[in-house]
Amino acid sequence: QSVLTQPPSVSGAPGQRVTISCTGSSSNIGAGYDVHWYQQLPGTAPKLLIYGNSNRPSGVPDRFSGSKSGTSASLAITGLQAEDEADYYCQSYDSSLSVLWVFGGGTKLTVL
Amino acid sequence: EVQLVESGGGLVQPGGSLRLSCSASGFTFSSYAMHWVRQAPGKGLEYVSAISSNGGSTYYADSVKGRFTISRDNSKNTLYLQMSSLRAEDTAVYYCVKDEKQRVGSSPIYYYYMDVWGKGTTVTVSS
Repeated sequence: QSVLTQPPSVSGAPGQRVTISCTGSSSNIGAGYDVHWYQQLPGTAPKLLIYGNSNRPSGVPDRFSGSKSGTSASLAITGLQAEDEADYYCQSYDSSLSVLWVFGGGTKLTVL
Repeated sequence: EVQLVESGGGLVQPGGSLRLSCSASGFTFSSYAMHWVRQAPGKGLEYVSAISSNGGSTYYADSVKGRFTISRDNSKNTLYLQMSSLRAEDTAVYYCVKDEKQRVGSSPIYYYYMDVWGKGTTVTVSS
């Protein structure tokens, strides 16, 4: 069981908007720790998608956006494209654990 | 271009040992903390270990504490993960990851995140 909870899968048709949630608790997201998102295309290493809750690194399309509120965070993808089909992971920090860094269980995005 | 190249993975018997290496280039290695993250076959990402920029502080997930040792050689731009008493559940792709620190505007607050990942090296623990 991951400390951060993500839906195992989401899907959407090309052009649609999808959101992926990342639910934590008062010892991680709710404690004010930042949330970051990573995209893992099939057969490749993860890649940074969103950092500091809502910031996009250079080169990431503005179709991707992040937000955080309370004990949860969300990743939104608009104008869905076939190339967005991937696994998405949220990551934050947890003060109740022996190691600070924690990942969500991951969400598989299927583009229909 | 920032690059991280892992090596040292392979097949090892339960109870055995293995040392992973990560060669870094394209950035001032000695200025950044580094991480190891693993991914078991068909599973999600699992945090393994971290080390500060000068190697003075190390952190381990409970699942590897006492069995794995993270270290670095800043003169060689190389990160290591010494793994011992290996178990079947340690079977995974091991990623070397660079930490990044970015100031939030003009405030004294910083974002810390993992910005560059290597391609990974596969460790299989099996008899």
